[in-house]
Order: sequence, then structure tokens, then C-alpha cells
Amino acid sequence: GAGVSQSPSNKVTEKGKDVELRCDPISGHTALYWYRQSLGQGLEFLIYFQGNSAPDKSGLPSDRFSAERTGGSVSTLTIQRTQQEDSAVYLCASSSRKTSGSVAEQYFGPGTRLTVT
Amino acid sequence: GNSVTQMEGPVTLSEEAFLTINCTYTATGYPSLFWYVQYPGEGLQLLLKATKADDKGSNKGFEATYRKETTSFHLEKGSVQVSDSAVYFCALSDHSSYKLIFGSGTRLLVRP
Repeated sequence: GAGVSQSPSNKVTEKGKDVELRCDPISGHTALYWYRQSLGQGLEFLIYFQGNSAPDKSGLPSDRFSAERTGGSVSTLTIQRTQQEDSAVYLCASSSRKTSGSVAEQYFGPGTRLTVT
Repeated sequence: GNSVTQMEGPVTLSEEAFLTINCTYTATGYPSLFWYVQYPGEGLQLLLKATKADDKGSNKGFEATYRKETTSFHLEKGSVQVSDSAVYFCALSDHSSYKLIFGSGTRLLVRP
């Protein structure tokens, strides 16, 4: 079946512009995660959605970052007034509901490479 | 807080050599442990996992054992191939927050 898809695959933007990154999770997966992969910081958790629960936003680096998940499926990560330090690969992952006593595997998308000039 | 430390790369080996990539963790409670792999130009893929102490995860000839006494989850393979060249990430997830905490990644280069 189809995996996690992300768009665009590459995005170049000027400093100060807003960008939107999209994630389509695997059908039926209730949990969705955003991570960021950058040279200086490695792989960092950004935000987590699980069903209709309030999202865990504890990893968002500043209030310029926000994310939403509409209808429990597609998610959009928005970065306002982009800065050069926002340049990174933004990864989306999804998983099914956690079963008792185990942690559900997260399936990753190919990522969006964001370059802020 | 929770964290993962793994050996810095790059690790360069000849084909059929033995591989060890060290990974240690700091966590409260009993996290689940993972190795993810990122092949050139591809996304992150789960390689193996272990959910409790003394569990051994294995896949594609790779193995890692969850050692609670040493808080380690070292990745091993007895005979590497050129196709194993990739970046390997050790990660943990605790059972309350679900998010993955990653190590910095170790690049493996296998020469023919």
C-alpha cells in the first residue's frame, strides 16, 4: 500500500516568507509526527497528533512554527517569517494506535528539504 | 531528560568485516529502543527494535540487544555488504510520550 507522502520534496524560499509543508499519512494511521533533520541539531521531534486529542507541541522551536491536522488525516506544518536556521529536512511519520505493552512503529515519509536564502 | 548517544562516524569497513555501532541511552522508566537506517537518497526506515530488557531485535543480519544494566543497544552485523552503506540512527521512545528521541547518527561506508 501507499506509504507516507510529503510535498513539496524541495522548497527554496526567501528569508521572511511563510512556507507550508504537507504530509499525507498512511491510511488508517491515527498518530502523526513531525520531525526536523538538520546538520547542527540532528533529528528533532517537533509535534505529535493522536486522533482527536490535543497535539503535543513540546518540540516546536518557536511560535513561528505551527501545525494542524484536518479530519484526522492530512497535516500541514507552517513556518512563518522563515529564518536561515529553519533550513532543514522536515520529516513526517505516522503510526497506528499503540497496542498494550508495545510502541507502534513509526513510518517515515521522504521528507521536504527546505532551504531559506 | 531522555537522550541517546551513539558513536560518531564515519565508520569505514571492508566488505565482510564485522560491524559494531555503539549506542547508549539515558531514560526514566523502561523505554523501547530502535535502530533506524537511512540509505542514500531515501527516507528513514525501521531496521529493528526491542521493547524490554534482554530483548534482541534482528533484521537483515543486523542484531541489537537491549541491555538495561549498561543502558546500551549496540548494533552488530557479522559480515557487512556494500549495500549496507547508509546512516544508522539509534532511538528511544518511552511509553508515555511516544515521540522518538534520536542519536546523532553514524555514517557507515562499506568498501568492496
